[in-house]
Amino acid sequence: QSVLTQPPSASGTPGQRVTISCSGGNSNIGSNAVNWYQQFPGTAPKLLMYSNSQRPSGVPDRLSGSKSGTSASLAISGLQPEDEANYYCAAWDDSLNAVLFGGGTKLAVL
Amino acid sequence: QITLKESGPTLVKHTQTLMLTCTFSGFSLRTSGVGVGWIRQPPGKALEWLALIYWDDSKRYSPSLGSRLRITKDTSKNQVVLTMSNVDPVDTGTYFCAHNVEMAATRPFDFWGHGIPVTVSS
Repeated sequence: QSVLTQPPSASGTPGQRVTISCSGGNSNIGSNAVNWYQQFPGTAPKLLMYSNSQRPSGVPDRLSGSKSGTSASLAISGLQPEDEANYYCAAWDDSLNAVLFGGGTKLAVL
Repeated sequence: QITLKESGPTLVKHTQTLMLTCTFSGFSLRTSGVGVGWIRQPPGKALEWLALIYWDDSKRYSPSLGSRLRITKDTSKNQVVLTMSNVDPVDTGTYFCAHNVEMAATRPFDFWGHGIPVTVSS
């Protein structure tokens, strides 16, 4: 069981806005920034968002990230079929001295 | 252009030691703030962080696996090696290495290798 909690699934129709949540604690999300990764089946993860809300080069601005207290979220607006993938949040934990990943959220575009 | 590639055995036996090598290009492990990490993913399951090594040879290990792991670097060869002792079938999965940046309050993995599938037989 992951220390960072994500809903196992999420869904939306093309054009909709979908939000994926990530819940943690004081020693991880509460103290450090959150990164988000996108992974398609059979491929390596890709960094989608870092430092809570910073997009790496090439990531479209319809994706946004935010953090409040011990929770973070990834929002995808203007949902597209190619957004169907697995999404993972991650954060450093000061108590464990470790990187924590969430359990992942499978996003379906209906 | 940063690239990483994992290599090693794809089949190991229960109780053996697994050694995986990450060979990278496009960056140096002599550069301040730069690191390489290992992450694994059991079939159909979530990502699990294993270990990190930084430019200054500082190391971090997963608390749940730390006693079985060892991470080392060879700066001259641009390689990072992960050793996992006493493997078990539950260690089966795809193992990824990734470039890491030690930023203020975050450590993102911004470039990843393709991963290497490892099966542990009982």
